[in-house]
Amino acid sequence: GAGVSQSPSNKVTEKGKDVELRCDPISGHTALYWYRQSLGQGLEFLIYFQGNSAPDKSGLPSDRFSAERTGGSVSTLTIQRTQQEDSAVYLCASSRTLGVAFFGQGTRLTVV
Amino acid sequence: DQQVKQNSPSLSVQEGRISILNCDYTNSMFDYFLWYKKYPAEGPTFLISISSIKDKNEDGRFTVFLNKSAKHLSLHIVPSQPGDSAVYFCAARKETSGSRLTFGEGTQLTVNP
Repeated sequence: GAGVSQSPSNKVTEKGKDVELRCDPISGHTALYWYRQSLGQGLEFLIYFQGNSAPDKSGLPSDRFSAERTGGSVSTLTIQRTQQEDSAVYLCASSRTLGVAFFGQGTRLTVV
Repeated sequence: DQQVKQNSPSLSVQEGRISILNCDYTNSMFDYFLWYKKYPAEGPTFLISISSIKDKNEDGRFTVFLNKSAKHLSLHIVPSQPGDSAVYFCAARKETSGSRLTFGEGTQLTVNP
């Protein structure tokens, strides 16, 4: 497809388990972003990749969160030892170096 | 430090009238601004943007106004339609450095038939 694709669309996991969320950006987009939206909250920045530059990790809430972007394309957000407060919709977006960012549909993570 | 703020969590207007959504920012380095619309269970959808070299950008029913001296922007929707009911997010970035987007908290717009 031509848009940003995220998988899975929904994920239910037990507290303490690790989860991986995947994002396939739009082809040719050099910038990739992860945000999350908790219930009733705004969009919280997590991490930003731009080309070959070091990622901006300033939004990651704890060292249980990590992300990588392989080959400048697909990105995986990993949450280790999940906690209930990690429950949220995790949103990925991509853009050219400058310009509009386009979002995927998100992954709804529920930690039980 | 909330660099982009949307002070109204909600706004209700009648169909056919104008909706005005407001956004303030504190970082004078921001030079590119965007508005996104978000329906429940969907990702945000890009609506309209404006560069800091302009003070107005119009696209159909949507117009964004930028007042750099006041560090304020607004989104006008006219005429408003019930399908416009959604959460609207304002976002800003330092375009020249290709930096990340900083979002406001969002405003829930409800357009009543």
